[in-house]
Amino acid sequence: AQKITQTQPGMFVQEKEAVTLDCTYDTSDPSYGLFWYKQPSSGEMIFLIYQGSYDQQNATEGRYSLNFQKARKSANLVISASQLGDSAMYFCAMREGGGNNRLAFGKGNQVVVIP
Amino acid sequence: GAGVSQSPSNKVTEKGKDVELRCDPISGHTALYWYRQSLGQGLEFLIYFQGNSAPDKSGLPSDRFSAERTGGSVSTLTIQRTQQEDSAVYLCASSLESSYNEQFFGPGTRLTVL
Repeated sequence: AQKITQTQPGMFVQEKEAVTLDCTYDTSDPSYGLFWYKQPSSGEMIFLIYQGSYDQQNATEGRYSLNFQKARKSANLVISASQLGDSAMYFCAMREGGGNNRLAFGKGNQVVVIP
Repeated sequence: GAGVSQSPSNKVTEKGKDVELRCDPISGHTALYWYRQSLGQGLEFLIYFQGNSAPDKSGLPSDRFSAERTGGSVSTLTIQRTQQEDSAVYLCASSLESSYNEQFFGPGTRLTVL
């Protein structure tokens, strides 16, 4: 069963506008962590933001924020004031608790920022 | 400090040959992970090391795949008798011991099996 679902098609975003990338997850573990990574065309995976399942507040890191809706099992990434350098694939990932350290990744969202 | 490094960056091999992929994690990171990224399967977990031991190797796709880690640092992923379906980018990541620290990824090794 797929644990992380990212179903949006490729997105074009106007520079300086905000974009929301959807991510839903599936787990029965009460303790888990959610991550977003960026993968530009160069291929490296860049960590963006982390949300723990017990965190009371939504995570924020600069222009990135995570809209965490626990009951809906969604962890959407919001990128504010898009820049041309934000063009990349974005992956949502989850790590479940109980000593399980592996990350389960979604299929990714392609974002292209246009001037 | 230096990030995760991997070598080679690209590897082209013939079907049936063995290959070794190397990963140097960030200094001080006790946890090391191997993932595989391919067009058809996305990003898949292969194996996880804590120190030199591998408590989770459940992602290795077949017994042709093996990995080891020595000195709590460098890791080698070995694929024996390569097949065309092994073609992918192999990514290594490392993290501090704590379960909820982010994993830092290397640039990957692109493996092409002809």
